[in-house]
Amino acid sequence: AQSVAQPEDQVNVAEGNPLTVKCTYSVSGNPYLFWYVQYPNRGLQFLLKYITGDNLVKGSYGFEAEFNKSQTSFHLKKPSALVSDSALYFCAVREGYNFNKFYFGSGTKLNVKP
Amino acid sequence: DAGVIQSPRHEVTEMGQEVTLRCKPISGHDYLFWYRQTMMRGLELLIYFNNNVPIDDSGMPEDRFSAKMPNASFSTLKIQPSEPRDSAVYFCASSLLAGAQGEQFFGPGTRLTVL
Repeated sequence: AQSVAQPEDQVNVAEGNPLTVKCTYSVSGNPYLFWYVQYPNRGLQFLLKYITGDNLVKGSYGFEAEFNKSQTSFHLKKPSALVSDSALYFCAVREGYNFNKFYFGSGTKLNVKP
Repeated sequence: DAGVIQSPRHEVTEMGQEVTLRCKPISGHDYLFWYRQTMMRGLELLIYFNNNVPIDDSGMPEDRFSAKMPNASFSTLKIQPSEPRDSAVYFCASSLLAGAQGEQFFGPGTRLTVL
């Protein structure tokens, strides 16, 4: 079965510092991994995805994510956090044989303080 | 492009009443998804359509829930009768037919409160 785990409910970071939001996954075949962000009272917005190729994936708003097959992880990172990055972040994995079914993690609330 | 459009944005109703949520996907997208988001259960896929045909409804919680897609530009999610435990934010999303590479585009959601 496919699943995604986000071990931290909340991450606090000071503005200007690097941030990491963790995600681990479990899939039966090749992983197709995604990060989404949700701002208050809004729908989820796509940030980036890993399908194949380079393990470091760059996405929107300066975010990047590193795919690590041996650790089955896909952590979201940003070198310098902004207060406006404060939001809810979701990791998702696409089911191997059913490409159109996503499994979302429980979400991690990122708080960036000035 | 206006993105995925959902209506209403907020719905407050009483237990036992019928509730209909509406969604207009992005033009040209072949797939449409309905999700439910709650604090307790997170984001759950309820059902998805491909070319207006329901493909997987295994996430629909009960027979009280039904979804239709009469054409490529419109879908509804109906709850009849509604119960307080149905209170949640319901999202509609759409995507292109692009195999594993197609990301989903989400609407703003409908916040449903059943009293």
